[in-house]
Amino acid sequence: DTAVSQTPKYLVTQMGNDKSIKCEQNLGHDTMYWYKQDSKKFLKIMFSYNNKELIINETVPNRFSPKSPDKAHLNLHINSLELGDSAVYFCASSLPGLNTEAFFGQGTRLTVV
Amino acid sequence: AQTVTQSQPEMSVQEAETVTLSCTYDTSENNYYLFWYKQPPSRQMILVIRQEAYKQQNATENRFSVNFQKAAKSFSLKISDSQLGDTAMYFCAFMRYSGGGADGLTFGKGTHLIIQP
Repeated sequence: DTAVSQTPKYLVTQMGNDKSIKCEQNLGHDTMYWYKQDSKKFLKIMFSYNNKELIINETVPNRFSPKSPDKAHLNLHINSLELGDSAVYFCASSLPGLNTEAFFGQGTRLTVV
Repeated sequence: AQTVTQSQPEMSVQEAETVTLSCTYDTSENNYYLFWYKQPPSRQMILVIRQEAYKQQNATENRFSVNFQKAAKSFSLKISDSQLGDTAMYFCAFMRYSGGGADGLTFGKGTHLIIQP
């Protein structure tokens, strides 16, 4: 049973294309996130959603648009892909409160050529 | 805004040795959590240990323990009896406690730990 699953694991695409990464969690968590890990392994939050509502939107280009159809899913759409978008993108979820812990998906390695 | 600093980009120790990874952070918050995550070559992010700021007692999980110094804003990870499988990137992370949740993690830049046979 995968707790947080992302698809696809690998994505190679050309500049200018539009692509989506899907994320689903079966933990019953209220909060989901997208993180970006760059080529130097630095991890930075992009978005967080709580019960389908956008809570955090860091300084991310508006070519990136998260969509949460329900609280178990948080998809990431990227328009007009650029070379600099190449990175590993992680989805995560957590249950807010005193015992919070973020569970991560396995990551999606996006390569823009 | 919070910042997390890991001053050791890479460390290498022999199997069975004890190693300590450093982490300092800066925040004006009083209620928060600190975490150490491990990322092996498989790239999966794995929670190693968690510390609530309101707890004075240092967290321990088997061979992993932390030295949490709230006043000094320091949160180091000690790995005892290191094993080859401990080879990984280790990230220190901060999260503000906001009651309603949804605050994300602020990560340090990571320490690449190599356990030599």
